[in-house]
This record gives sequence, structure tokens and C-alpha cells, in this order.
Amino acid sequence: EIVLTQSPATLSLSPGERATLSCRASQSVSSYLVWYQQKPGQAPRLLINDASNRATGIPARFSGSGSGTDFTLTISSLEPEDFAVYYCQQRSNWPLTFGGGTKVEIK
Amino acid sequence: QLQLQESGPGLVKPAETLSLTCTVSGGSISSSRYYWGWIRQPPGKGLEWIGSMSYNGDTYFNPSLKSRVTISIDTSKNQFSLKLSSLTAADTAVYYCARPSQQLVGGVFDSWGQGTLVTVSS
Repeated sequence: EIVLTQSPATLSLSPGERATLSCRASQSVSSYLVWYQQKPGQAPRLLINDASNRATGIPARFSGSGSGTDFTLTISSLEPEDFAVYYCQQRSNWPLTFGGGTKVEIK
Repeated sequence: QLQLQESGPGLVKPAETLSLTCTVSGGSISSSRYYWGWIRQPPGKGLEWIGSMSYNGDTYFNPSLKSRVTISIDTSKNQFSLKLSSLTAADTAVYYCARPSQQLVGGVFDSWGQGTLVTVSS
């Protein structure tokens, strides 16, 4: 089973700042890494597929990078609606696994 | 537009079996080659993948739950279902059904149900 470790657990930033979230895999997942955003009381929302491909309707301020074991989700300039929890998930191997999440909170 | 809706009991007793159904509208389960999935989230915690069932009946499970999980598809009702047996308080969670964005690809979930909270308590 591939373990995904996300850091930091919490990121305290102000609107307009840049957010950099990390996801590290216990073994290579190639580029098969997915990012989701989740707000309280809502289902997760797909942001990024295959490490760097934005899902339909996702603003350009969200970008993903990385391959192998180290991945990054960057939000170039935080909007008020971006404060949420972000999860990475690998689809390289069954079983599918999620990281523990990074909460982006308002500073 | 594809919609998924979970249904089932909100409260179940320890040691019993949970049965949840996901009703799919706006698309046909039988005419597509998707890996339909179940994911859960304990209150205040992260996401945990439970399992997925492919269009041709293949199933994949979280090893930690495998012995207790059954997933099935009812094409006549356009539904897929989850059964989780031998429940404990640790199974208390919001349960989501979901579908990937692409056929023949597991795990890129872009369509989700709203989630249903299941509490395990006597």
C-alpha cells in the first residue's frame, strides 16, 4: 500500500498570498497523483488530475507539479473561497490511498 | 448532468451490517466502463477509500476493510451498493459514492454524492 504524507498539516495565510502544499509518496506513483479540495459540509472537489492537469472549470491559479514521489499543489494568489482542506490521492496502484490533508486557513 | 445520491440508515447498531445504495441519474451504469467507488470520512478526519467496482464486475478493496466489504451493481435500477459488516464505532463516518472522470480509470473522482452520515451506536 502506498502511503501519502501531506505537509504542512495547516497553512495559515492571508488572501492574495501564495500557497504551496506538499504531498510525498512512500514509493513512486509516476504522475498518477490527484488533488482535491474540500470545504466544510461538502463533498471533495477534483482539482488536479495526473499531477498537473487542471480539472474542468478549475481556475488557473491552481497548479500542480511533480512526479515519482514528490508533488506540489500551488495556489498562486489565495482567494477567499480557497480556504479549505486539500487532499492528495494516488491512483497508480490499488488500493487507492489518500493523504491526511492540508488545511489552508485564514491568517 | 450526472448526479449521485446515497441512501441508507443514519444509525446502525454495533456488530450489525450497514447497507448503503448510490442511485445514479443522468447517466447509465450499464452502458459505461467506469470504476464506481465508495469513500468515507470519519467526523473531523480525512478521506478513506473503501472500494471500487468496475463495469465488468471486478472489485477492488481497501485491505483494512476487505474482509467486511461487499460492493455490487444493480443495472436494472441504475444503482450500486455497499455493505459493511461487523460494525464498530470506528465505522462512524460520512459515506460518499463517487465516479471517476474517465472510463477505465480508477480513482480520479469528479462526480460525488452529497454524502450520508452513518453513526454506529447502540
